[in-house]
Amino acid sequence: NAGVTQTPKFQVLKTGQSMTLQCAQDMNHNSMYWYRQDPGMGLRLIYYSASEGTTDKGEVPNGYNVSRLNKREFSLRLESAAPSQTSVYFCASSGGRSNQPQHFGDGTRLSIL
Amino acid sequence: GQSLEQPSEVTAVEGAIVQINCTYQTSGFYGLSWYQQHDGGAPTFLSYNALDGLEETGRFSSFLSRSDSYGYLLLQELQMKDSASYFCAVREGTNAGKSTFGDGTTLTVKP
Repeated sequence: NAGVTQTPKFQVLKTGQSMTLQCAQDMNHNSMYWYRQDPGMGLRLIYYSASEGTTDKGEVPNGYNVSRLNKREFSLRLESAAPSQTSVYFCASSGGRSNQPQHFGDGTRLSIL
Repeated sequence: GQSLEQPSEVTAVEGAIVQINCTYQTSGFYGLSWYQQHDGGAPTFLSYNALDGLEETGRFSSFLSRSDSYGYLLLQELQMKDSASYFCAVREGTNAGKSTFGDGTTLTVKP
């Protein structure tokens, strides 16, 4: 039972390059999320998808785009990477109801030079 | 918007009891969750309170007072493996699936 799978686990980019982070869940969850976590900080929501076919901005959406490809997959794209986007990115999924927890992937550690 | 406050660091000795507090300000509230994150790892769910009172799960308990916009996580019989960061998170009223996280409390358990 894989849960939430993120790829890649590590990536180094140069400023201006583009990249897509992949996320897939096998728990039949309706809702999926992308967070970033900077050192010593909490999780900040970038985008979320409450259900297949819908996406909404979170707290820090600038510089990112998302695609909810199907119920299983939710990708995050950086069109033109900037050093300020150096962070650990976590994908999560949940059943969507308020009492259902979020299940997190292992994260993608992204460095932008 | 939402804002959550929790202490940045807490230190305790093995076998002791520690309480991590969380106060929140929110325009919509469905419940308060707690997550644990070990260094370099992913957050994992610990507990959820939607109603006032205490929820107990083994050595961990979580409390909520909606009237005070306050909750806490209580860890008993501390073990070295409990050294980690603990985050409170508020489920928002506008979207029941969406949460806002606090900045986390780093718990250090000493022998």
